[in-house]
Order: sequence, then structure tokens, then C-alpha cells
Amino acid sequence: GAVVSQHPSWVICKSGTSVKIECRSLDFQATTMFWYRQFPKQSLMLMATSNEGSKATYEQGVEKDKFLINHASLTLSTLTVTSAHPEDSSFYICSARGQGTTSGELFFGEGSRLTVL
Amino acid sequence: QQQVKQSPQSLIVQKGGISIINCAYENTAFDYFPWYQQFPGKGPALLIAIRPDVSEKKEGRFTISFNKSAKQFSLHIMDSQPGDSATYFCAASSGGYQKVTFGTGTKLQVIP
Repeated sequence: GAVVSQHPSWVICKSGTSVKIECRSLDFQATTMFWYRQFPKQSLMLMATSNEGSKATYEQGVEKDKFLINHASLTLSTLTVTSAHPEDSSFYICSARGQGTTSGELFFGEGSRLTVL
Repeated sequence: QQQVKQSPQSLIVQKGGISIINCAYENTAFDYFPWYQQFPGKGPALLIAIRPDVSEKKEGRFTISFNKSAKQFSLHIMDSQPGDSATYFCAASSGGYQKVTFGTGTKLQVIP
């Protein structure tokens, strides 16, 4: 099946710094990528939808200026957590829908665990 | 309207038994219903999915039953194995595909 790669898989940073997480589709072109946040023992909460070449669409309650999303190519989307604080510590997961894939079929990355000290 | 309700929250099944997880939705525009399996510290992986034009889909030990009139669907894991122990999420999305709405998750533990 299609492979979505996330990097880094885990990151620890100091409060106030910015962290960038990459999401790559390795064997297909992803016109749309999604960024989710998952707290321990909870479901995935959609943060934003990233479309190649256009601005991301953020879900209600998600701060656009804090969670910067860039989808500059058909294989790469990045999520930058700016001025991170301990409450931003979470598991961030990206997913991708490729060109021509079945409606609703998503391929997920392995997730990136962010810990803000 | 966008909610997908999932139950139970946790489930313990003996090896060889049947695991059953149920989901219900409200939005009649949903037309794709996947189930995802997630192991600790990993991203979800698609397990099996169904569209509302069929009432059942089986892949190996995994079966989805779909009741369009009741707006419910369920996952059955036959001959459950310890390796099936994971968190399972049902989900739903609508045609033209914009985003997937996830259920709250079920933590399954299969004991020997």
C-alpha cells in the first residue's frame, strides 16, 4: 500500500521554540494532506486540511498562526508548531489522499510525538 | 451532525473469541466507512472499509456489518488473537471527500 512518512518521529524542545514536522508521501502524489492531533487515549482530532499550492483550511479552534502548514509540493507537507508551550505536547499525525484514490481512503504517517519542556 | 459515536470504549476478549465494536452516525451524506487499527505510538492503519451500497464486507477475520436505515455499522473480529490487541477507530467521510470524522476509539485487549 501507499506509504506516508513522518519526520521526526519524536522531538523534545524547550518552551518558546518552534518545531517543524514533515509529512511525505513516498510512492504517490498527495493532492491533499491532513494533520491530526491525538492526546493520550483519545481519538484523532483534525487540525487542518492541506492542499498542494493553496492555503490550508483550519478546523474551528485551531490557531492558524500557531500551527503553520505548508504544502509546497505533491509529496511534502510541513507542520510548524510556533512558540511551542507544554500544552502543545501531543502526538501529531499526518495523512494523505493521493490522486485518483478511492474517496475517503487515507494513508497515515507513523506520527510525531512532541514534548515541550 | 458530524459525530460518529463508537462503543464500547474498551473491550476484553479471550483468544479465539469474537470482538464486536459498534458505531453510529447521524450525517446521511457519509458514504465511506473505514475502520482503522492503531498500535501504541503508531499512526492508524486502514483495516477494512465499506460503502453503504452493501450490507456486509469480509476480509479474512474482519467483517463490517452495515445497517443504512439504522445508520449503524460494526466491526467483527473473528477468532480474535493477542496480536489484535490495539485501539480501533471507526470513521466516516462523505463523497467528493473532504475529511474523515473519527469515532472515539475502542481499546481491545485479547487475552490468552
